[in-house]
Amino acid sequence: QSALTQPPSASGSPGQSVTFSCTGTSDDVGGYGFVSWYQQFPGTAPKLLIYEVDKRPSGVPDRFSGSKSGNTASLTVSGLQTEDEANYYCASYAGRNNLVFGGGTLLTVL
Amino acid sequence: VQLVESGGGVVQPATSLRLSCAASGFTFRTSAMHWVRQAPGKGLEWLAVISYDGVHKYYADSERGRVTISRDNSKNTLYLQLNSLRTDDTAVYYCATRTFGYAAEYWGQGTLVTVSS
Repeated sequence: QSALTQPPSASGSPGQSVTFSCTGTSDDVGGYGFVSWYQQFPGTAPKLLIYEVDKRPSGVPDRFSGSKSGNTASLTVSGLQTEDEANYYCASYAGRNNLVFGGGTLLTVL
Repeated sequence: VQLVESGGGVVQPATSLRLSCAASGFTFRTSAMHWVRQAPGKGLEWLAVISYDGVHKYYADSERGRVTISRDNSKNTLYLQLNSLRTDDTAVYYCATRTFGYAAEYWGQGTLVTVSS
């Protein structure tokens, strides 16, 4: 299975909103409602932000929201804060009990 | 929830290694588990998943045949056997709990495997 496609970088100013894209195929993102998003700071383990496209685990601020249209999933971070500067990865169920990740997007908060 | 990986280190190419993931703070025996790795400076790569009872095991196509996932529910421990190690297996290896939608919910801190001669 091929990795999902994410832009390598994104940026925004404090208080703004930024949206990350995650493009797959009908075999993964488009075929299932099982997209998840992760936040990772350098040197630390990833943290689950979104699962099943748009659900937030307990404790994740509602500034983080997910959506999907066709073969592309999106993560929107509203009210950007400097502490949101991190890498963001998407993942999708890809059938046959496989999971596939995207290459990640590095968010810079200017 | 606490997941603690161990067993990493510096190993030579073509050798084998078994990683462990000790779980606590939740009911391990009812949780499916993932292994995910991350090469230095690179993204996340899913490796394998195992059902709560260890009966069902699934692997990434790229690693099938070289890695084996297993668990011992009596010891609250997950394992990953890595065989025929190559330099491009150098990575931090994470275990994680599997939640709804196949997502990885809780993650360990990772264990670094360095394959080098």
